[in-house]
Amino acid sequence: SQKIEQNSEALNIQEGKTATLTCNYTNYSPAYLQWYRQDPGRGPVFLLLIRENEKEKRKERLKVTFDTTLKQSLFHITASQPADSATYLCALDRGSTLGRLYFGRGTQLTVWP
Amino acid sequence: KAGVTQTPRYLIKTRGQQVTLSCSPISGHRSVSWYQQTPGQGLQFLFEYFSETQRNKGNFPGRFSGRQFSNSRSEMNVSTLELGDSALYLCASSLDPGREKLFFGSGTQLSVL
Repeated sequence: SQKIEQNSEALNIQEGKTATLTCNYTNYSPAYLQWYRQDPGRGPVFLLLIRENEKEKRKERLKVTFDTTLKQSLFHITASQPADSATYLCALDRGSTLGRLYFGRGTQLTVWP
Repeated sequence: KAGVTQTPRYLIKTRGQQVTLSCSPISGHRSVSWYQQTPGQGLQFLFEYFSETQRNKGNFPGRFSGRQFSNSRSEMNVSTLELGDSALYLCASSLDPGREKLFFGSGTQLSVL
């Protein structure tokens, strides 16, 4: 089965800085990788999806990269704000057409003023 | 358009009891999947339903079961509850199994005493 590691359980940064979260995986290479945001007491919310043949994807202040050689994805939030404080989850497809997702345990990001 | 609705929001049961959780997907979504989330294991895939048929199943004991109705609403059942079943149970929907992006509900927080 797939193993996913997110760089740390918690990350604290100052407002305005760039937050960088890491997702590493083992075993097979997924067809795509997703990032979700989860707030306390709520379900995850989809942010970005990047496919195996894409190197980088951007959406507003968010950027995700995907390196299939390193088996790693980096998730960046530029000009971070306190409202960005949440847990961020990395998710990989399960490797089959009808597959669902493997999730990492998440990184809790805190942005302080 | 209403999001994914899960009921009840909170549930307290005792060991040995059984429980039924309900999920109403986004209107028009026909695929429903269930996840268990715990602090120790993160999000673990339980099963996925499409057109009233179970398409995929995670690595959980037979005490965990589910079903989907003709209107795409889904229920999951846990019999003979154990303390370790205490978790946040999340339902997610998508248009069909081939869609990568999942829309999650806020979950049912189950506590087993």
